[in-house]
Amino acid sequence: EVQLVESGGGLVKPGGSLRLSCAASGFTFTTYSINWVRQAPGKGLEWVSSISSSGSYIYYADSVKGRFTISRDNAKNSLFLQMNSLRAEDTAVYYCATSVGVQSYFDYWGPGTLVTVSS
Amino acid sequence: EIVLTQSPGTLSLSPGERATLSCRASQSVSSSNLAWYQQKPGQAPRLLIYGASSRATGIPDRFSGSGSGTDFTLTISRLEPEDFAVYYCQQYGTSSRTFGQGTNLEIK
Repeated sequence: EVQLVESGGGLVKPGGSLRLSCAASGFTFTTYSINWVRQAPGKGLEWVSSISSSGSYIYYADSVKGRFTISRDNAKNSLFLQMNSLRAEDTAVYYCATSVGVQSYFDYWGPGTLVTVSS
Repeated sequence: EIVLTQSPGTLSLSPGERATLSCRASQSVSSSNLAWYQQKPGQAPRLLIYGASSRATGIPDRFSGSGSGTDFTLTISRLEPEDFAVYYCQQYGTSSRTFGQGTNLEIK
């Protein structure tokens, strides 16, 4: 059974940093691209970033480019999102989701982790 | 960036009725790289449709997708109580994937 579990969320002040993790199991992690999607409270879904299976291809939404860094550790079946210079508008539930290719639909999702940016 | 506009914003129907949800793209979506997701309160989204018309694993056949280019439709043939949720379309044909703003399907 495919399982994705996000962690690392919490309360952080504006301008601060946070590192999210996504632990994967139940599938061959090294053959899947992984994505981050966020959802602000009461709002819709926003794609944040994607990384290919090897890590060679990386994409970011304009809203986070230069502030967020996606990475993966294929030896540990883990995905990361380093978030710097956080703003109030980054407050959201952050989901990790798998995709067969780096430009493909998102087939499995984790339950999400809440990030709150507030003073 | 491709902007996806979903309509209507809210759709009020009764169980047993047919639901038709629309997703319009600001420019053509390449190779029908369009997906639909269902999200219930407090849950992660669930993939329903990919490639505009292919059902994901385990999705009942009352869900169907159609369309190409800039106009796409999700149809639920006969609504079951568990189908009332928010539905999102997404294009994944460009390096900047985008979601529509969602359609809230509510019980009338």
